[in-house]
Amino acid sequence: DAKTTQPPSMDCAEGRAANLPCNHSTISGNEYVYWYRQIHSQGPQYIIHGLKNNETNEMASLIITEDRKSSTLILPHATLRDTAVYYCIVRVRSNYQLIWGAGTKLIIKP
Amino acid sequence: ETGVTQTPRHLVMGMTNKKSLKCEQHLGHNAMYWYKQSAKKPLELMFVYSLEERVENNSVPSRFSPECPNSSHLFLHLHTLQPEDSALYLCASSQAYLQEETQYFGPGTRLLVL
Repeated sequence: DAKTTQPPSMDCAEGRAANLPCNHSTISGNEYVYWYRQIHSQGPQYIIHGLKNNETNEMASLIITEDRKSSTLILPHATLRDTAVYYCIVRVRSNYQLIWGAGTKLIIKP
Repeated sequence: ETGVTQTPRHLVMGMTNKKSLKCEQHLGHNAMYWYKQSAKKPLELMFVYSLEERVENNSVPSRFSPECPNSSHLFLHLHTLQPEDSALYLCASSQAYLQEETQYFGPGTRLLVL
């Protein structure tokens, strides 16, 4: 079973920041948090990952709480093309498998 | 473009047919993966190959037969499938297996079994 909990859906206005929450209260100290997204019927696209520190790349920022029990993915200026299902995944350290949940369906509205 | 390609993108087959799905990665990676994504269900890992050797087989029925002739190519041979096997089949690759390496996915093959 997935070790993460995400809201099933969210809306965000175009041009605004989209903040996607994820709870992972049972995460172990050496397990990374990964974010992928999947645009309708396409393959998942890697976004970002992190362990303890906040991370930023050209796509998004990842904010991880100090206790590591939750994180937030931030898309700073959402566009219509960011409409997708976003998956927060805690990577199991024993076999490095990605255990996928249902994700959050993010809809960007004009 | 992630550097992982899959063909065909769409496939319709009867239950008695034999077909193959192909995956090719242009990233120089050493690990390749097959996943299945059924409607309304999370992605499920099917097989993992590391350096052309199968290292994971997650209780997949024998009607699915993987093949990895070299580190750049991965096949999934299909025979005597059932309608419930209709799904999106995704290939992924990573630099190495059992390491903190990002997996990159192809666009998938949408399979319909009639």
